[in-house]
Amino acid sequence: AQKITQTQPGMFVQEKEAVTLDCTYDTSDPSYGLFWYKQPSSGEMIFLIYQGSYDQQNATEGRYSLNFQKARKSANLVISASQLGDSAMYFCAMRDNFGNEKLTFGTGTRLTIIP
Amino acid sequence: GAGVSQSPSNKVTEKGKDVELRCDPISGHTALYWYRQSLGQGLEFLIYFQGNSAPDKSGLPSDRFSAERTGGSVSTLTIQRTQQEDSAVYLCASSPRGGTGELFFGEGSRLTVL
Repeated sequence: AQKITQTQPGMFVQEKEAVTLDCTYDTSDPSYGLFWYKQPSSGEMIFLIYQGSYDQQNATEGRYSLNFQKARKSANLVISASQLGDSAMYFCAMRDNFGNEKLTFGTGTRLTIIP
Repeated sequence: GAGVSQSPSNKVTEKGKDVELRCDPISGHTALYWYRQSLGQGLEFLIYFQGNSAPDKSGLPSDRFSAERTGGSVSTLTIQRTQQEDSAVYLCASSPRGGTGELFFGEGSRLTVL
């Protein structure tokens, strides 16, 4: 069965600093996808970044990058040059590409950017 | 619009009443999910539909909860005999077949049980 673990319930980071949000996963399937979503206080779920298990390079999207370490089963999100608008809940998720392909979410990390 | 549409956006009901929440996914998306999110908490998986396959109901918390998806499109989540602990935001998401499997979320239905 899939499992996603986010061990940081909350983080406080100074504005303009980089921040790493941890995510580890467990699956027996060789093919899977990893996702990060942002949920600001408004409640909407915003897709940030995707990493496929066979991708050779770490995914990047603007200030977001995914530090994918397959052997360690980790998929940490790195936000560079943090901004006040980055304050939100961040969820890591995984989808197995075999079986029923269901997307499973972690419990989330609440990130607060301090001015 | 072209996004996932949920209704009602807000629902206040009395304990013991039944409620229905509706989700209209993006046209052509084969996968549809329901999640529940209590205040300040994570996403609790409820049910997953994928095409014509039998739905994955493993997340439904009790037999008071049920969901159906008609014609592979619109889905209705029904909560019978609501309890105060059912108060939460119910999020629906859809995803196309193939691709990365990215979920597209609706804005949610906020349920308050008095």
